[in-house]
Amino acid sequence: DAKTTQPPSMDCAEGRAANLPCNHSTISGNEYVYWYRQIHSQGPQYIIHGLKNNETNEMASLIITEDRKSSTLILPHATLRDTAVYYCIVRVYQTGANNLFFGTGTRLTVIP
Amino acid sequence: DSGVTQTPKHLITATGQRVTLRCSPRSGDLSVYWYQQSLDQGLQFLIQYYNGEERAKGNILERFSAQQFPDLHSELNLSSLELGDSALYFCASSPRGTSGGRTDTQYFGPGTRLTVL
Repeated sequence: DAKTTQPPSMDCAEGRAANLPCNHSTISGNEYVYWYRQIHSQGPQYIIHGLKNNETNEMASLIITEDRKSSTLILPHATLRDTAVYYCIVRVYQTGANNLFFGTGTRLTVIP
Repeated sequence: DSGVTQTPKHLITATGQRVTLRCSPRSGDLSVYWYQQSLDQGLQFLIQYYNGEERAKGNILERFSAQQFPDLHSELNLSSLELGDSALYFCASSPRGTSGGRTDTQYFGPGTRLTVL
């Protein structure tokens, strides 16, 4: 799986958009970008994933650059409950092995 | 709520003992994964089962074993416990976890916190 690089920490004001960057310059054509978050010591929570097109769901938007070497997770209106560690993961879907490789992620702190 | 359940929530035991952690996947999911999260190691993949059969192995110690039963629930057995086995253990499930060229999103349970004294 391709390696990802994320800033270790970020702050965001409550109510503002949180933009979390992820660099995955070695991504291959068949590798998806996944985002998970972990609030305190709870189980990681799936947020969104994409291959090359931008994606949006009820939680967030995922913007993937045209060359696919980087992406941005956007939380449109951050709340205090969005304070968490956010993990960007790229993985190829292949026969059998489907495990996720979690890096160190970005610790997002939403400030009142 | 992801739909994945894990029991127990907390487990305190002594070194040398053996424990069993249990996981029930989301309804309809065929794959179960186990992950370990310790303070100094982050989230690490241990093992995957698909429809009762072992599918992939990660950094799982020989003292640890797992199985997936016909009703698709899974158990992770940890034996000869050491202080360093203290960690959060997460189970995840996904619909497939097998070939097909499609994505297969994993959903995580709330975890079991194991403390070895």
